Amino acid sequence: DVKVTQSSRYLVKRTGEKVFLECVQDMDHENMFWYRQDPGLGLRLIYFSYDVKMKEKGDIPEGYSVSREKKERFSLILESASTNQTSMYLCASSLGDRDTGELFFGEGSRLTVL
Amino acid sequence: AQSVTQLDSHVSVSEGTPVLLRCNYSSSYSPSLFWYVQHPNKGLQLLLKYTSAATLVKGINGFEAEFKKSETSFHLTKPSAHMSDAAEYFCVVSLGYSTLTFGKGTMLLVSP
Repeated sequence: DVKVTQSSRYLVKRTGEKVFLECVQDMDHENMFWYRQDPGLGLRLIYFSYDVKMKEKGDIPEGYSVSREKKERFSLILESASTNQTSMYLCASSLGDRDTGELFFGEGSRLTVL
Repeated sequence: AQSVTQLDSHVSVSEGTPVLLRCNYSSSYSPSLFWYVQHPNKGLQLLLKYTSAATLVKGINGFEAEFKKSETSFHLTKPSAHMSDAAEYFCVVSLGYSTLTFGKGTMLLVSP
């Protein structure tokens, strides 16, 4: 089974802090994604990556950056956390060119910014 | 362009009664369609997927969905609800890995 692991399930940070959210997948998937989930808004794509060192902006990239130095690891970075970034963050991965969009999700990282 | 609408934000059923979660989509091309389930404080898990094969798709835990192109619908059903089905359900339309669109979710409540 594919396993997507998000290292931190719950984090509490202060406004202005730099925050790293880490995600690792163990199935050699090409594509990795970071979503944000808020009540009533569903999932919104922040960034995705289709290869090492490659990244593409999603629907809401402002205030975020990402890093993919190794195929299995995709990090989400909040350079200066703000209270409106309090949310659930979900990492996902999928196969490469031929995939239909089936995603495998981690269990999420719930971030609170005070 | 593509979009997906989940017609109910909340659905309440009694244990043992049928479940119907409604999803309509809009897409310029033939999409792939998915239903995901999310239990509290967990990530999303794939329930079932439609990728232009059989229009009636069977998934895990007794769920199934029927793709109806004429109605642009992909409703999720289950004959008999179980308490463990209580969760949030997301309908997703896709034209490929970089063009996924999620619905806003339907919370399924199951009472004894």
